Amino acid sequence: GENVEQHPSTLSVQEGDSAVIKCTYSDSASNYFPWYKQELGKRPQLIIDIRSNVGEKKDQRIAVTLNKTAKHFSLHITETQPEDSAVYFCAARGGADGLTFGKGTHLIIQP
Amino acid sequence: GAVVSQHPSRVICKSGTSVKIECRSLDFQATTMFWYRQFPKQSLMLMATSNEGSKATYEQGVEKDKFLINHASLTLSTLTVTSAHPEDSSFYICSASLGGGSYEQYFGPGTRLTVT
Repeated sequence: GENVEQHPSTLSVQEGDSAVIKCTYSDSASNYFPWYKQELGKRPQLIIDIRSNVGEKKDQRIAVTLNKTAKHFSLHITETQPEDSAVYFCAARGGADGLTFGKGTHLIIQP
Repeated sequence: GAVVSQHPSRVICKSGTSVKIECRSLDFQATTMFWYRQFPKQSLMLMATSNEGSKATYEQGVEKDKFLINHASLTLSTLTVTSAHPEDSSFYICSASLGGGSYEQYFGPGTRLTVT
């Protein structure tokens, strides 16, 4: 089955700086890679996703890059704000399967 | 659009009893729903894939006789935790997708189960 590794587990950045979270996956058949933000006790919220036929996608301060050859994808958040503090999860999915999640990154934005 | 609800949001039960959790797609039909479990400060782990009108597909290590899944209609899937024990205490979250080439999954708000 799919295995998703996520790094780092904790990331602390100064407000206004950029944050980068990286994930690798094992199954070359995976073709959908979403990123979720989760606040304590709440459901995961999709913040951006990318399909395997695209190398990069951007939505305002958030971008995702995908390297299919190397089987890794990254989340980039620019101009970080205090409200960006949360736990972020990457995930991978192939076809009609359920999602395999990374272990999560606790992002802390220092004022 | 694409709203998924869960009921109950929180439940406390005694060890040895069974608990049923409902997952509903409110404004779309979902032939496939997914059940995840999340322990405190950990990631979400897929438990099973629920298919309308057929048996659920369970992930390795998930006991199908303990976690009963029924997907009786295109808008409702239920997860029953049978003979619950304290180690089953967790956050259970369902999701559903629109299908038809749409990959995004819509998550329910989750159910916090505490077994005493």
